[in-house]
Amino acid sequence: EIVLTQSPGTLSLSPGERATLSCRASQSVSSSYLAWYQQKPGQAPRLLIYGASSRATGIPDRFSGSGSGTDFTLTISRLEPEDFAVYYCQQYGSSPRLTFGGGTKVEIK
Amino acid sequence: EVQLVESGGVVVQPGGSLRLSCAASGFTFDDYAMHWVRQAPGKGLEWVSLISWDGGSTYYADSVKGRFTISRDNSKNSLYLQMNSLRAEDTALYYCAKDIGGSGIFGPFDIWGQGTMVTVSS
Repeated sequence: EIVLTQSPGTLSLSPGERATLSCRASQSVSSSYLAWYQQKPGQAPRLLIYGASSRATGIPDRFSGSGSGTDFTLTISRLEPEDFAVYYCQQYGSSPRLTFGGGTKVEIK
Repeated sequence: EVQLVESGGVVVQPGGSLRLSCAASGFTFDDYAMHWVRQAPGKGLEWVSLISWDGGSTYYADSVKGRFTISRDNSKNSLYLQMNSLRAEDTALYYCAKDIGGSGIFGPFDIWGQGTMVTVSS
């Protein structure tokens, strides 16, 4: 099973700042089958990025994904108030064994 | 509107059984694989199970294998999760989620329901 480790656990930033979230896999993720989700309190997760760098439908272009192999990054170029949330990465390259990372909380500084 | 609505979550005793349902609308249900994902209170996401578009293939996380059964009824646009031999560690919010499809493999999930809470406690 591929284990995903997200860092940092919590990121304290101010609106307008840049956020960089990391997701590291215990082994190479096939064909960059890596997705990112956003979850706000009391809500279901929302798909942001798939295929490591493709934005899902309706996702603003301030969200971008990059990386390959074992190291992946989600970048939020300028934080908006609605971006403060928990972010999860997920690998689906070893499908059907799908795994999530432990999450990174982006909080207001 | 594309929508998934889960139901069936309750408080159940350890060792008990429960069946969750997920009603889909707004998309061609039988074109897509479907998944169950759970989230224990205050914790992260855990993939639980998936079923192919036609129900011909099913897969489970090791933590539920042999105890949970996923199924679907395409004539009713519905997904199910039969949960047996429930344990305290199965306590979680259970989400159904639609596979994005089109890639030849399973995942990721582009539509999620709001979840149904299962509490296993005596």
